[in-house]
Amino acid sequence: AAGVIQSPRHLIKEKRETATLKCYPIPRHDTVYWYQQGPGQDPQFLISFYEKMQSDKGSIPDRFSAQQFSDYHSELNMSSLELGDSALYFCASSFPQGNTDTQYFGPGTRLTVL
Amino acid sequence: GNSVTQMEGPVTLSEEAFLTINCTYTATGYPSLFWYVQYPGEGLQLLLKATKADDKGSNKGFEATYRKETTSFHLEKGSVQVSDSAVYFCALRASGGTSYGKLTFGQGTILTVHP
Repeated sequence: AAGVIQSPRHLIKEKRETATLKCYPIPRHDTVYWYQQGPGQDPQFLISFYEKMQSDKGSIPDRFSAQQFSDYHSELNMSSLELGDSALYFCASSFPQGNTDTQYFGPGTRLTVL
Repeated sequence: GNSVTQMEGPVTLSEEAFLTINCTYTATGYPSLFWYVQYPGEGLQLLLKATKADDKGSNKGFEATYRKETTSFHLEKGSVQVSDSAVYFCALRASGGTSYGKLTFGQGTILTVHP
């Protein structure tokens, strides 16, 4: 079965640079979530999109922005990178099924800021 | 706000031992509850879920029962294997009838199983 695809899998950037992370949801899934997992931490919700509209926002820095495109893939744009942005970034997708819908996670993008 | 609390780890067991990882939650209404597993260097995989009180989720020998009276969703397995070594996350998704509910995770429990 098709899974959530994230690219790149690994990314190394310098401080103050920008980064773009991409997420391709499971076919027919129209909802995308982004999470950030710091070293040894639990995943923290950043932002989500439903039918190409932002549906919820968590602890996402103003330096970060995201969008969902017409083909439902999503991109997380990160500017003015800081050392503390080094983390594993997960994308998850779901198909709305009311209270029973389940989020399926991609393998993550490991971002290292030097 | 919503929160999830897992038992402090790490947990170290011998193969074929019984496993319990405690999880309690705080949420309004009737959240859906999940256990995710993360193997070294990999993403999060859904292990099991329960969407209403008294539901039992099960998969690969793991079980968890949604107990609303104790606000708990403890993970159990009767006989662990070395291949079960991973980090286990309990998570909840708030209710409300929406399809775009974020997950709130517990802090994760590292399980190591020795031969």
